[in-house]
Amino acid sequence: EAGVVQSPRYKIIEKKQPVAFWCNPISGHNTLYWYRQNLGQGPELLIRYENEEAVDDSQLPKDRFSAERLKGVDSTLKIQPAELGDSAVYLCASSLYGRPDAQYFGPGTRLLVL
Amino acid sequence: RKEVEQDPGPFNVPEGATVAFNCTYSNSASQSFFWYRQDCRKEPKLLMSVYSSGNEDGRFTAQLNRASQYISLLIRDSKLSDSATYLCAVTLTGGGNKLTFGTGTQLKVEL
Repeated sequence: EAGVVQSPRYKIIEKKQPVAFWCNPISGHNTLYWYRQNLGQGPELLIRYENEEAVDDSQLPKDRFSAERLKGVDSTLKIQPAELGDSAVYLCASSLYGRPDAQYFGPGTRLLVL
Repeated sequence: RKEVEQDPGPFNVPEGATVAFNCTYSNSASQSFFWYRQDCRKEPKLLMSVYSSGNEDGRFTAQLNRASQYISLLIRDSKLSDSATYLCAVTLTGGGNKLTFGTGTQLKVEL
């Protein structure tokens, strides 16, 4: 079975440019998470979806970050405009509903903002 | 105070040693507890859940102390391949499936 797929794996952009990350969860997983992991830190949740509904976006910086999961399957996370402090690894994870012990992470997108 | 705290390490141990990590959490409403392993430049992978009664998986033993609000991970007979960062994570009662991670503890097992 395919795992969580993310693209691109790496992205280098200049500050003030937009950037988008894509995630395709494990088939059948209705819960999708976007995390940000800064160097030397643990992942921090940005947003959680149950199907197409964002049920927890309290940590998402809404002035520049947006996310969507229109059909309840794959998801896109966007930053516009990017700032230097956005350099991090953006991890997508998925799970079946109600199963925090079974969150599977994708390989992440490593973003560098210059 | 951070919700979940870990000693970042690194812990440098010889092969075959026993090593233990602790992780403290600040919210007494924390419900579920986990240890994740993260290799360099890779994604976190679930190592084991932590149950109230403690649990063991081969060389790995996890324990929960609710009174003192910490969880522990014990690795016996360390292997070179155990070198990684170990992240603890907790969920809150009523918090859905949101995992709150610690900063991770880096382990280096040496010859």
